[in-house]
Amino acid sequence: DLQMTQSPASLSASVGDRVTVTCRASQTINNYLNWYQQKPGTAPQLLIYGASNLHSGVPSRFSGSGSGSEYTLTIASLQPEDCAVYYCQQTFSRPTTFGQGTRLEIK
Amino acid sequence: QMHLQESGPGLVRPSETLSVSCTVSNDSIVNFRYYWAWIRQSPGKGPEWIGSIFHSGTTSYNPSLERRVTISVGTSDNQFSLKVVSVTAADTATYYCARHCNSNSCLPGGDWYFDLWGRGILVTVSA
Repeated sequence: DLQMTQSPASLSASVGDRVTVTCRASQTINNYLNWYQQKPGTAPQLLIYGASNLHSGVPSRFSGSGSGSEYTLTIASLQPEDCAVYYCQQTFSRPTTFGQGTRLEIK
Repeated sequence: QMHLQESGPGLVRPSETLSVSCTVSNDSIVNFRYYWAWIRQSPGKGPEWIGSIFHSGTTSYNPSLERRVTISVGTSDNQFSLKVVSVTAADTATYYCARHCNSNSCLPGGDWYFDLWGRGILVTVSA
């Protein structure tokens, strides 16, 4: 299976900070990369699809970029409600696989 | 707006069969845009895709689970279901149902994104 590695595993940032989460695939995945946000006790929610496309209803402070095997999720100005775990998912090859998650805390 | 809801027992004995169902409401499961999926998540881990089904009955499974898993669809009651046989403690997880598009029906630039999820059901395997 194609392996997805996220970094960092956890981070702590202040409201208003710019935050970046990285996802590396074990091979090139040609932008077949999605990002999800999961808050405690709830299901993951789609944020970004196709590496850089913002899902309907997602705030514009979230953005995605990258190419080849390395991708990033950026929060332009961190808000208190952004406290969550973030996951990347590759859909380049089957089975689709997820990263292990990045836990984001607010200082 | 379409809604997904999982149901089933929260406790299963080791070596027995785990069975959970997902009810699709506010729209028909017979929908050419979507596939219907099961995803599980063990505590503190990332999600794991189990398998997907189209309303026609066409399935695809994660090879790591394929020998023990069956996904079926019931168009008359707008449900799809998951069975996992011979369960062990390693199958303890929150089980989610979700929908996804494919390359023919996703928005431009997208593929296989899970854009609607149920709330999930925790299934514990224990004697």
